[in-house]
Amino acid sequence: NAGVTQTPKFRILKIGQSMTLQCTQDMNHNYMYWYRQDPGMGLKLIYYSVGAGITDKGEVPNGYNVSRSTTEDFPLRLELAAPSQTSVYFCASSDRVSNYGYTFGSGTRLTVV
Amino acid sequence: DQQVKQNSPSLSVQEGRISILNCDYTNSMFDYFLWYKKYPAEGPTFLISISSIKDKNEDGRFTVFLNKSAKHLSLHIVPSQPGDSAVYFCAATNSGSARQLTFGSGTQLTVLP
Repeated sequence: NAGVTQTPKFRILKIGQSMTLQCTQDMNHNYMYWYRQDPGMGLKLIYYSVGAGITDKGEVPNGYNVSRSTTEDFPLRLELAAPSQTSVYFCASSDRVSNYGYTFGSGTRLTVV
Repeated sequence: DQQVKQNSPSLSVQEGRISILNCDYTNSMFDYFLWYKKYPAEGPTFLISISSIKDKNEDGRFTVFLNKSAKHLSLHIVPSQPGDSAVYFCAATNSGSARQLTFGSGTQLTVLP
């Protein structure tokens, strides 16, 4: 059981470039989330989805886009990368009936130079 | 505006002693609280949770206490072990939401052998 898989683990982008962070879960969870963690800070919610075809903005959505065409996949798109997007990105999922505990991926460390 | 605050960035404890990690929140709508543990280069993992209808929840060496009137919760680890050394995040949510969690900034716990 792989849980939540994020790719890539590391990436360096130049300012203005674009990329997609991939996230896949194999637990049939309806809820999926993208968080970012800056040094010394907590995790901040970027976008979330309560099911296939449904997405909504979190606390810090600017500069990002998401899609949820299947239950399993929840990719995060960065358009026109900026140094402020240098961070560690975590994808997570949860189901309807658990104790609200998320299952997190291992993260993507992104540096924009 | 930090709705969940962990005011101690770090804590060192001797092996076998009690570790107490604290968390404060400001949003009265929060009714479910969680603790996550994070090792370097890994995603956070769910540790323990508590509903606002309770004031204590225990799971093995881990106990979470909730003081609603003070908007304060704490995580007790007894006895502390070197493997407990990690960053601990407090998180909170409203059970009527889409399960979005609001995280504190984390406390680095170091258990000294």
